[in-house]
Amino acid sequence: EDKVVQSPLSLVVHEGDTVTLNCSYEVTNFRSLLWYKQEKKAPTFLFMLTSSGIEKKSGRLSSILDKKELSSILNITATQTGDSAIYLCAVNSGGSNYKLTFGKGTLLTVNP
Amino acid sequence: DTGVSQNPRHKITKRGQNVTFRCDPISEHNRLYWYRQTLGQGPEFLTYFQNEAQLEKSRLLSDRFSAERPKGSFSTLEIQRTEQGDSAMYLCASSLSGGSGELFFGEGSRLTVL
Repeated sequence: EDKVVQSPLSLVVHEGDTVTLNCSYEVTNFRSLLWYKQEKKAPTFLFMLTSSGIEKKSGRLSSILDKKELSSILNITATQTGDSAIYLCAVNSGGSNYKLTFGKGTLLTVNP
Repeated sequence: DTGVSQNPRHKITKRGQNVTFRCDPISEHNRLYWYRQTLGQGPEFLTYFQNEAQLEKSRLLSDRFSAERPKGSFSTLEIQRTEQGDSAMYLCASSLSGGSGELFFGEGSRLTVL
């Protein structure tokens, strides 16, 4: 059974701090790893990482895929209160149906 | 609004009643997914449609659950004889085959079974 583990499960920081969220996976046929941000509503897409695209960056957020270690990190620099959310890691493991297996998420709280 | 639309957003029901949720995907998306999310957990896959065909169902989807997508557009998820353990957020997502693989999620339908 495919497995995605995120750590830490929760994190409290102050505005301006830099945070690193972790995701490790055990899947039978890795295709891609996706990061989503979930506030009190729908998960919204952040990044997708594949064998051909192991590093992505958008503003203060960046993510790296380590296929050897079967893991990924999501970095957020200069955090803002608006970054407070649950960050979900998901893996697409084989097939073309893009069914995703999600981790439990990391609850990030950024205090002013 | 051209995103994924779900309704109702909230449903409170008594144990044993039937409930139905509706999902309208992004219009050009031919793939539609249902996920369930409980507190402190990530979304769990329930089922997947390509056009009107239901191609995969999770073991989580007991025989009290049924999903349809009759014309390959909107989808319904029905839960019969609800149990308290069915209380969760039911998320719908859609995507385009041959696309980037990103799933676009709706805001979910929260079910509370009393």
